[in-house]
This record gives sequence, structure tokens and C-alpha cells, in this order.
Amino acid sequence: QKEVEQNSGPLSVPEGAIASLNCTYSDRVSQSFFWYRQYSGKSPELIMSIYSNGDKEDGRFTAQLNKASQYVSLLIRDSQPSDSATYLCAVNTGGFKTIFGAGTRLFVKA
Amino acid sequence: EADIYQTPRYLVIGTGKKITLECSQTMGHDKMYWYQQDPGMELHLIHYSYGVNSTEKGDLSSESTVSRIRTEHFPLTLESARPSHTSQYLCASSEGTGGVQYFGPGTRLTVT
Repeated sequence: QKEVEQNSGPLSVPEGAIASLNCTYSDRVSQSFFWYRQYSGKSPELIMSIYSNGDKEDGRFTAQLNKASQYVSLLIRDSQPSDSATYLCAVNTGGFKTIFGAGTRLFVKA
Repeated sequence: EADIYQTPRYLVIGTGKKITLECSQTMGHDKMYWYQQDPGMELHLIHYSYGVNSTEKGDLSSESTVSRIRTEHFPLTLESARPSHTSQYLCASSEGTGGVQYFGPGTRLTVT
């Protein structure tokens, strides 16, 4: 079992729809959770960080954390073609190392 | 906006050559990292540093070495490049433990 698991996709949604990306992690002591966006050929860039259970909203993005179930999700409202990218879930257990998932590819169709 | 820089951005080099990939950050972060990523694949940590004169190998076995003589600088060296080293190399830095990692633009290395 991988430490951070994501569905590789591709996830295809129409423009204007809600895209829902999910991630599960195996280490119960994980404390910090991140979503990064990576365009093809580019480096990852942070979208959201979340540290406590519940929802965190930032513009069109909402991160959801459920530590009891060990999952993190990212909702993208009013999806745009420019949101088409690979989304990486990352988890930190409090030490130096952050574990990255393999990513979910998202396609937003115009 | 993260201020972390990598040079060169692209490099094509012959087998057996020694190369150094440069990474610098101006944010004063203690923690720095090197990742290797093949197209469409996940990130693999190959080296990290807690601070000056502190370096450790990551999860992915790598024939590269790193140094951290100054806080802002974390170069990666391949003594003898091989075609299997062809990949994208990403440098990142973070403040404190468990913090957000900021990535440089990457170096795409091709060894012929």
C-alpha cells in the first residue's frame, strides 16, 4: 500500500462543473496536508494547505480533511479549462519529509 | 511568490560527463530538497538538507551527491552522467518542519 494514494485519472469534467479530487493516506500521525497543481512540463505549485479536520475554502477551491477516515479531498468549483493539470496530494507527518501522491490528471472540457 | 531558482533549465550532455545542477533560494529557508520526476510519474525524493553542512539521502537511490555550504545554495552533482539519469530534477525549499514546499522551475536533463 502506498503512503499517499490518488486515483490517477484522467478525471474529465465539463467547464463550469465541480471537480472532486480525492486522496487517502496511511500514516495516522500525519499533521499537514497539501494540494499542489502541476501543469505538464512545469513544477508543482501550492494550491491549498489544511491542518485540521473540516473544510477550508479559498476562492473556487475547497480542501476537506477527515483524519478519522484518513482522507483529503479538493473541490474545484466552476471548473475552467485552465484548471486542466495534474493535482498532487502531499502529506507530512511532522518531520522534514513530505510524501507526494502520484497525482490525478484533470481535464476540463470547454 | 516563491524565490527559488534552478540552472540550467535544460541540459543535453553526453555519457560520462560530470554535471552540476544549481539551486538557490532567497527566502532563508533551512530545509531544501531535490526530487527526480519522470514525465507523468510521481516525485521521488533523492536528497534533502536540514541546514548548512547537513545533507541526507532520500528514498530513491541516486548516484548524485549534494552539498550545503550556504543556506541559500544546494547544488546537485553527477560525477558521471548516464542515459538512466535522463529525467527532470526539481529543487524545493521549506521553512520549518511540516511546512509548505516551494519548488524551483526544474532542470530537464537528457544524457545521450
